[in-house]
Amino acid sequence: AQSVSQHNHHVILSEAASLELGCNYSYGGTVNLFWYVQYPGQHLQLLLKYFSGDPLVKGIKGFEAEFIKSKFSFNLRKPSVQWSDTAEYFCAVIPYNNNDMRFGAGTRLTVKP
Amino acid sequence: DGGITQSPKYLFRKEGQNVTLSCEQNLNHDAMYWYRQDPGQGLRLIYYSQIVNDFQKGDIAEGYSVSREKKESFPLTVTSAQKNPTAFYLCASSIDREGWKGYTFGSGTRLTVV
Repeated sequence: AQSVSQHNHHVILSEAASLELGCNYSYGGTVNLFWYVQYPGQHLQLLLKYFSGDPLVKGIKGFEAEFIKSKFSFNLRKPSVQWSDTAEYFCAVIPYNNNDMRFGAGTRLTVKP
Repeated sequence: DGGITQSPKYLFRKEGQNVTLSCEQNLNHDAMYWYRQDPGQGLRLIYYSQIVNDFQKGDIAEGYSVSREKKESFPLTVTSAQKNPTAFYLCASSIDREGWKGYTFGSGTRLTVV
């Protein structure tokens, strides 16, 4: 079955450490790609999105993601995390010619002060 | 301000009862969606609707039903046939604009079966 895979269920980092969260998808063709963040007790919030063009996408709060088509990947990165980045992060894909968004299982990030 | 309103925020239901979750949007979006969020499983698509009076099953439609009589409303009924209904339910809507798709999410309804 086609899917979105997030490799890490729970990541624990110290402040100032670098972050990379993996995301792979199995849909062929053109895709729209997203990363969402959900802070404790809050709504889903869009971090960044990729539709076309430069495969390195910059989002809010210092996050960026790189689309590597050959690897079907869209990994999220941040050079230096802060305690306030503690949240759950979801990768999502809208396959070509489709409107419904499919999500990965999420990665919980805990940043220790 | 435009947005999506889900109500109620918290809902308790006795086993064997049907319950309806409300989702209203004033964004003039054509498409609307219902997702279920469970710990460790991300968001799973229950139903979606691209246009009024039409809807399709998502990945986990069993035990749920929807209607789309108006563009701005997409209520979800959790029936007694749903074996494990306790979860967080998110409604979303989307617009298709010049090749890209923007989603807006509601704040969710947490359903607990007691």
